[in-house]
Amino acid sequence: EVVMTQSPATLSVSPGERATLSCRASQNVNINLAWYQQKPGQIPRLLIYGASTRATGVPDRFSGSGSGTVFTLTISSLQSEDFAVYYCQQYDNWPPLTFGGGTKVEIK
Amino acid sequence: QVQLVESGGGVVQPGESLRLSCEASGFTFSNYGMHWVRQAPGKGLEWVALIYYDGSNQFFIDSVKGRFTVSRDNSKNTLYLQMNSLRAEDTAVYYCARPMIRGVLNWYFGLWGRGTPVTVSS
Repeated sequence: EVVMTQSPATLSVSPGERATLSCRASQNVNINLAWYQQKPGQIPRLLIYGASTRATGVPDRFSGSGSGTVFTLTISSLQSEDFAVYYCQQYDNWPPLTFGGGTKVEIK
Repeated sequence: QVQLVESGGGVVQPGESLRLSCEASGFTFSNYGMHWVRQAPGKGLEWVALIYYDGSNQFFIDSVKGRFTVSRDNSKNTLYLQMNSLRAEDTAVYYCARPMIRGVLNWYFGLWGRGTPVTVSS
């Protein structure tokens, strides 16, 4: 099983600042990595797939990078609607598909 | 309208069974492999099961193997999750999820249902 580790668990950021979220895989997942956003009481929303491709309708302030075992989600200038929990998910080596534990981005 | 609507959740005692359903609309259901993903209260996302577009293959997370089965009725555009021998640790919101792209084994999820809650408690 590929274990996905996200850090930090909580990230405190001021609106307008940059946020950098990390995701590490316990083995090589190539670029088969997705990022999701989940706000309280809402369902997950796909942001990024293929490690760096934005899903339809996702603002360009969200960007993904990385390959292999180290991945990053960057939010260039945090807006109020971006405060949420973010999950990474690998789909290279399955079953099982695996998610990271999440990073909560909160208002500083 | 493209959507997934889950139903069938509830409160059961340990050892009991539940059958969840997920009704799809607005897209060609039979073109997509379909997944169940769960989220325990206050916790992260956990993939549970996958069934291929034609029902020919199913895969499960180890913790539910032998207890859960997944099936689909493409004539009814409906996905099912039969959960037997339920345990307290199965308590979660259960989502059905559809991959963004049909027909390929890129299992990332562009469409989610709103989920149905399952509580296992004595």
